[in-house]
Amino acid sequence: EPEVTQTPSHQVTQMGQEVILRCVPISNHLYFYWYRQILGQKVEFLVSFYNNEISEKSEIFDDQFSVERPDGSNFTLKIRSTKLEDSAMYFCASSIRNNYGYTFGSGTRLTVV
Amino acid sequence: DAKTTQPPSMDCAEGRAANLPCNHSTISGNEYVYWYRQIHSQGPQYIIHGLKNNETNEMASLIITEDRKSSTLILPHATLRDTAVYYCIVRTQGGSEKLVFGKGTKLTVNP
Repeated sequence: EPEVTQTPSHQVTQMGQEVILRCVPISNHLYFYWYRQILGQKVEFLVSFYNNEISEKSEIFDDQFSVERPDGSNFTLKIRSTKLEDSAMYFCASSIRNNYGYTFGSGTRLTVV
Repeated sequence: DAKTTQPPSMDCAEGRAANLPCNHSTISGNEYVYWYRQIHSQGPQYIIHGLKNNETNEMASLIITEDRKSSTLILPHATLRDTAVYYCIVRTQGGSEKLVFGKGTKLTVNP
């Protein structure tokens, strides 16, 4: 069964450093998403991406965050200057069309120290 | 999108059917009901979705009441691997793309 692949599985970074989380969505999917889950809390929407542009973003997704699909297969989330409160599991997801079931990746655990 | 209400936890015996309820009394006509689950800290997994007709796939069945104010996800023969948090999410077709996750129902399947 096709999978959404995320790398790395765990990243530790110092506060103020930039991090890039990487995702390879399912190849024929057109819609891409990032979600995050702070330990013990709900899964939260960050951003959706379609046709090479952001289609929707949440209040969490401020100027410190950006997304990119640099080469037609990877989908990345960049956090420019990490804060302690950015520590969370970050999940990438993709879907073949809007409002269809998403396929989520297994996540990247980001720890900011 | 309409708000959903789910019990915080449920137990089920292995091999028996697990029936997970969800209330969505403010659902509107163009809103779909989606079910996802999250096993431990893994990424959420899509299970099923429906508008008003009952739906079945290889994982589960979704029963939506005639007035659409509630639904039930049925896992027909629960296994230990079905232990997870199950999320019922209402979403407008053609509306916001985001999924709004609540706290869900923690289903524990016991041997």
